[in-house]
Amino acid sequence: GAGVSQSPRYKVAKRGQDVALRCDPISGHVSLFWYQQALGQGPEFLTYFQNEAQLDKSGLPSDRFFAERPEGSVSTLKIQRTQQEDSAVYLCASSLMGQSSTDTQYFGPGTRLTVL
Amino acid sequence: GESVGLHLPTLSVQEGDNSIINCAYSNSASDYFIWYKQESGKGPQFIIDIRSNMDKRQGQRVTVLLNKTVKHLSLQIAATQPGDSAVYFCAEKPMNYGGSQGNLIFGKGTKLSVKP
Repeated sequence: GAGVSQSPRYKVAKRGQDVALRCDPISGHVSLFWYQQALGQGPEFLTYFQNEAQLDKSGLPSDRFFAERPEGSVSTLKIQRTQQEDSAVYLCASSLMGQSSTDTQYFGPGTRLTVL
Repeated sequence: GESVGLHLPTLSVQEGDNSIINCAYSNSASDYFIWYKQESGKGPQFIIDIRSNMDKRQGQRVTVLLNKTVKHLSLQIAATQPGDSAVYFCAEKPMNYGGSQGNLIFGKGTKLSVKP
């Protein structure tokens, strides 16, 4: 079946622009996660949704970062007034069950954001 | 904060040899560990996982070993193939970490290069 998809795959933004990154999780998956992966580093947690509820946003680096999942399926990560340090790959992952399970997190291909 | 780390950033092996990738973790509260494989331009792909009540788990050509005494995790790949070339990440899911029980904490990764 279809895996996690993300769009766009690549995004170039000028410093100060707003961007929106989309994630389509695996159908029926309850949990959705956003991670940020800097070049040569492992992914770092940004935020977590269980259905439409954002249960954890402790990893968001600043108030310029905002995520939503209004209908409990597709999620959007928005970055306002982008800065060069926001350049990274943004990964979305989904899992079938809720947060306390050991369900496998399936990752999308990521969106590579470059801020000039 | 506490994090997962790796002993070897790069590993080069001959095709057909066995590979061992090591990882140290520092959060003793973690009870679930996962190995992911990430190829260039793709998202992390689940390989194998292990819970803290186990010390060994085997998959197809892969084995994960967990030593809770020294907080060490390893991934063994048997008969390594060119298609195994990728960056390998260990990740942990700590319980009661920062209020979230869902997100993964990744190490920096080990790049595995397989020579034909």
